[in-house]
Amino acid sequence: NAGVTQTPKFQVLKTGQSMTLQCAQDMNHNSMYWYRQDPGMGLRLIYYSASEGTTDKGEVPNGYNVSRLNKREFSLRLESAAPSQTSVYFCASSELGSSPLHFGNGTRLTVT
Amino acid sequence: EDQVTQSPEALRLQEGESSSLNCSYTVSGLRGLFWYRQDPGKGPEFLFTLYSAGEEKEKERLKATLTKKESFLHITAPKPEDSATYLCAVQAGNTGFQKLVFGTGTRLLVSP
Repeated sequence: NAGVTQTPKFQVLKTGQSMTLQCAQDMNHNSMYWYRQDPGMGLRLIYYSASEGTTDKGEVPNGYNVSRLNKREFSLRLESAAPSQTSVYFCASSELGSSPLHFGNGTRLTVT
Repeated sequence: EDQVTQSPEALRLQEGESSSLNCSYTVSGLRGLFWYRQDPGKGPEFLFTLYSAGEEKEKERLKATLTKKESFLHITAPKPEDSATYLCAVQAGNTGFQKLVFGTGTRLLVSP
C-alpha cells in the first residue's frame, strides 16, 4: 500500500509559469485535500473535494485550481506562478469528512 | 475566528526526561482535536483524535488529554526516535465539512 502519492517531489518555476501537482491515493477514500505549509504558519487548506465530482475552496484558494479526476486522483494547478506560492504542498485524503487525514510526503515548490 | 496556539515552539529533552506539549484553542464548538507527528521532509502522520473534555488517548510513550480550552501531549521517558514536530489541529463544530485549523507545531529533539 503506497497510501497517498504526490508528484513531483521538487519543482522550481519561474514567475508566470504554470504547472500541475499530482496526487493519488489507493485507500479508496472519499475525500481529498490540498494544503500548503509555510514556515511559522500552520498548514492551510487550499481546496478540498468531499467526494468524487465535487470540489470546494478552502482558506487560501486564490491562484490555484483543482480537478478531482476520479476517486483516486486530485490535482492542483498553478496557472501563473508567483513567488508567494513558494511553499511545501501536501495532498491528503480521508475516508469521511470527520476522519483523520492521511498525508502524502509533499511537493517542495520554489517560484523565482 | 478559530485559533490554535502550540507551546513551546521547540523543546529539547534528554532521553528518559518526560515532558508535555501544549495546544491551546479557541473554536466555535469543538468537533474534534487531532494530534499529528511530522518528521523532516515527510507529511504529517496521524496520532490521536479527542472529542470531548476529559478524554484521554495513549499510544506507546505518548498520551493525549483534552480540556475545554487546551490539549496536552505527554511524552513519558522519550527516546531519540520520538524527535519530530508535533502538530495540533481542531475541527470546529459549525463547519459543514472537515476544515481543520492547524497550529504551527512544537519541534521536539530528544538527545541520547
